[in-house]
Amino acid sequence: DAGVIQSPRHEVTEMGQEVTLRCKPISGHNSLFWYRQTMMRGLELLIYFNNNVPIDDSGMPEDRFSAKMPNASFSTLKIQPSEPRDSAVYFCASSVLGGHYYEQYFGPGTRLTVT
Amino acid sequence: AQTVTQSQPEMSVQEAETVTLSCTYDTSESDYYLFWYKQPPSRQMILVIRQEAYKQQNATENRFSVNFQKAAKSFSLKISDSQLGDAAMYFCAYRGSQGGSEKLVFGKGTKLTVNP
Repeated sequence: DAGVIQSPRHEVTEMGQEVTLRCKPISGHNSLFWYRQTMMRGLELLIYFNNNVPIDDSGMPEDRFSAKMPNASFSTLKIQPSEPRDSAVYFCASSVLGGHYYEQYFGPGTRLTVT
Repeated sequence: AQTVTQSQPEMSVQEAETVTLSCTYDTSESDYYLFWYKQPPSRQMILVIRQEAYKQQNATENRFSVNFQKAAKSFSLKISDSQLGDAAMYFCAYRGSQGGSEKLVFGKGTKLTVNP
């Protein structure tokens, strides 16, 4: 299995630009999570989906952030417009809903730099 | 809301020695899951070990073991025979057992240095 795939691995953009991060979960997994990692706040959940339906988006910072999961094999996290404080590593993770151990498998992350 | 606390921002250990990383958590739930993740410089999050709260037996995975104290809400990680490749950030994480609580709540992490 290829694991969770994220693209791009690195993104550098200017303030005000739109940024789209992409994630392909492990085949057969039906829960998908977006986390953000910063030095100040550590790892925090932004949003997660069960069976393509958003369950908890309380971690989404503000309306500039949006996430979609149009099908079981693809999700996007969009920031529009981007700001320097959005600079962070964004992780996507997937798991099996109701799986015995509930463990989440993480992608390699996208390092976003907003200048 | 659940919280996870790792009180040791940094730890160091000599190669081949044993080190214990601390983690405490706060929850009102009786059933839940606890995890330790490792994040090397490559930044990939790697699951090290898991523990179900309903199990009294401490989990063990090769050189990694936990000391799970449910009443004290403590979940420490012991690494035996430390190796250079164990150097990384280690994160303790909590997950509830109820539907709609599948997210992981992470501690701030402990940076482990392994000295040759």
